[in-house]
Amino acid sequence: QSALTQPASVSGSPGQSITISCTGTSSDVGGYNYVSWYQQHPGKAPKLLIYEVSNRPSGVSNRFSGSKSGNTASLTISGLQAEDEADYYCSSYTSSSHYVFGTGTKVTVL
Amino acid sequence: QVQLVQSGAEVKKPGASVKVSCKASGYTFINYYIHWVRQAPGQGLEWMAIINPNDGSKTYAQKFQGRLSMTRDTSTSTVYMELSSLRSEDTAVYYCAREMNDALDIWGQGTMVTVSS
Repeated sequence: QSALTQPASVSGSPGQSITISCTGTSSDVGGYNYVSWYQQHPGKAPKLLIYEVSNRPSGVSNRFSGSKSGNTASLTISGLQAEDEADYYCSSYTSSSHYVFGTGTKVTVL
Repeated sequence: QVQLVQSGAEVKKPGASVKVSCKASGYTFINYYIHWVRQAPGQGLEWMAIINPNDGSKTYAQKFQGRLSMTRDTSTSTVYMELSSLRSEDTAVYYCAREMNDALDIWGQGTMVTVSS
C-alpha cells in the first residue's frame, strides 16, 4: 500500500487560509468516507483534527475544515495562526481493511 | 481521563525482538480497537497494525507480516506489540492509538526503539 500523496510544504501569512491536498486512489480515499487528518508538533504525538472527511472532534477549532472530491481529500486552515505551524498528515481506510497515511505536509506560518 | 500510557524507551541489537506495552485507562477497553503506528526519525507516520481488544483479532500491514505480533490482556487493559528480527530501519518512535469513528482519537506518548549494534 503506497502512502497517500501530500505536498511537502505549504506556507501562509497569519490570517490567511491554506489548503493541504491528500491524493489517493479509488481503493482508499476515493472509495470510503473514512479520511482523517492529524496535526503533529515536533516531539509530540499526533492530534486528531478531522474524522470521516469533514467532522471535527470536540475541542478542535472550527478554523480547521475537511472535504473530499474523488480520490483527493483536502484540509483547509482558515485564519492561520502561529500555533498552526506543524506537520499535517492525512489518513484513509483502504480496501484491504488496512489504513494508510499521507506523506505529510510541513506548514510554515510566515 | 482517557489515556494510553506506553512503556519506556528500548535499545536493541540487530536481530533481536522488542515488546512495547500500551495501557489504556479512563474508558471501556474492549469497546475500541487499538492501532500501532511508527515514525522513523525525520520521517512520516506509518500504519502497522490493528487489534480488536474484545476478541483479539488482528490485521497487520503486509510489510510487517511474519515479524509483528500483538496480544492483549483484558484484565489489565493492556495491548502488547512485539516486533522481531529487528534491523536498523526499525529505529523509530512507536505509537499506540485508539480508534473511534475510523480515526485515531487518543494516542500514547510514544516509545522510542533504537536498533544499533
